[in-house]
Amino acid sequence: EAGVAQSPRYKIIEKRQSVAFWCNPISGHATLYWYQQILGQGPKLLIQFQNNGVVDDSQLPKDRFSAERLKGVDSTLKIQPAKLEDSAVYLCASSLVSPYEQYFGPGTRLTVT
Amino acid sequence: AQSVTQLGSHVSVSEGALVLLRCNYSSSVPPYLFWYVQYPNQGLQLLLKYTSAATLVKGINGFEAEFKKSETSFHLTKPSAHMSDAAEYFCAVIYTFGNEKLTFGTGTRLTIIP
Repeated sequence: EAGVAQSPRYKIIEKRQSVAFWCNPISGHATLYWYQQILGQGPKLLIQFQNNGVVDDSQLPKDRFSAERLKGVDSTLKIQPAKLEDSAVYLCASSLVSPYEQYFGPGTRLTVT
Repeated sequence: AQSVTQLGSHVSVSEGALVLLRCNYSSSVPPYLFWYVQYPNQGLQLLLKYTSAATLVKGINGFEAEFKKSETSFHLTKPSAHMSDAAEYFCAVIYTFGNEKLTFGTGTRLTIIP
């Protein structure tokens, strides 16, 4: 069974530029999560999708971050414009339905200079 | 805010020695508890989870954890450390009241001394 796929693995941009990350969850997993992991901290949930609907985006900085999950399969997370404090690893995870068994992708390491 | 606390951001043990990584939760209602491992430049892998069944939970790679309600703890142990255990370990919690969000601790970096 293929795992959660993410691309790109690494991205370096300058502040005020825009960037997008892509995630393809495990086949059949209805729930998809985006986490932000800042160096030295645990992952923090940004947004949760159930199929193509948003369940929780309470910690998503909506003035600059956006995410979509068209057709309830893969998902894109966008930052526009980026700030220095957005430097982090962005992790995508998926689960069948409940949050009790989440499978994580390898992450995208973003560096904002 | 409900959270989970990991004591010790860095732990070093000798190869073959006992590994003990500490985790405490903050709730009078027992939550669901998880331990994840993260190897360099990789995502998180679930080691084990407690979901109100047996209090001693066995996971992958020889790790186990014991849920102790009286101490609000869920410490991770392994009897004999291997070099391959060097990684970052995260304790995480889902409180079953509210929105059931997976909340992570700040992590413990485990170093194995040859």
